[in-house]
Amino acid sequence: EAQVTQNPRYLITVTGKKLTVTCSQNMNHEYMSWYRQDPGLGLRQIYYSMNVEVTDKGDVPEGYKVSRKEKRNFPLILESPSPNQTSLYFCASSLSPDPASGGELFFGEGSRLTVL
Amino acid sequence: AQSVSQHNHHVILSEAASLELGCNYSYGGTVNLFWYVQYPGQHLQLLLKYFSGDPLVKGIKGFEAEFIKSKFSFNLRKPSVQWSDTAEYFCAVSGYSTLTFGKGTMLLVSP
Repeated sequence: EAQVTQNPRYLITVTGKKLTVTCSQNMNHEYMSWYRQDPGLGLRQIYYSMNVEVTDKGDVPEGYKVSRKEKRNFPLILESPSPNQTSLYFCASSLSPDPASGGELFFGEGSRLTVL
Repeated sequence: AQSVSQHNHHVILSEAASLELGCNYSYGGTVNLFWYVQYPGQHLQLLLKYFSGDPLVKGIKGFEAEFIKSKFSFNLRKPSVQWSDTAEYFCAVSGYSTLTFGKGTMLLVSP
């Protein structure tokens, strides 16, 4: 089954404790991206990757890191989480490096993160 | 950079009522437009998309949207909503390598 898998789905942590949210897709997609969803703000892009070893900042990259060492994986790293990073995070992937031409984004189930 | 504005944050309708959700965008280049839906507790799914051609686009579950270039709009419509359409709806516009979402419209359909 084609899917984007995120882990963990739920996490409560404390300020400053490094964490990683993993994202894996089994569709051989070139493009992957991370979004955060906050009430009243919709989805905002954190980082995206157009291919292995190619990553770039989205609209709200501060406090986050990513890496793309393999095509299927795109982990999101919070080196020193803060309460304002409490949010619902979605990973997404698309066949084409350019989602404008490649069609739809496929989303993971989401990871709800709470930073105390 | 592109931007998207959705007119309503919350919409409440009765079953069988008609639906129209407004979406306006700004982008200087060739535009590609999308509507995504997020059912309660679930991830986003594509409803429909416009790349080129016929400005009236039909999607899944009876939804359609009309691209009006002169108005920079891409409104979502459904003639008769059902309780199962209760969800949050996001309009999105793509630029090179990024997809920008609106803030979403929460639709509540009462039985």
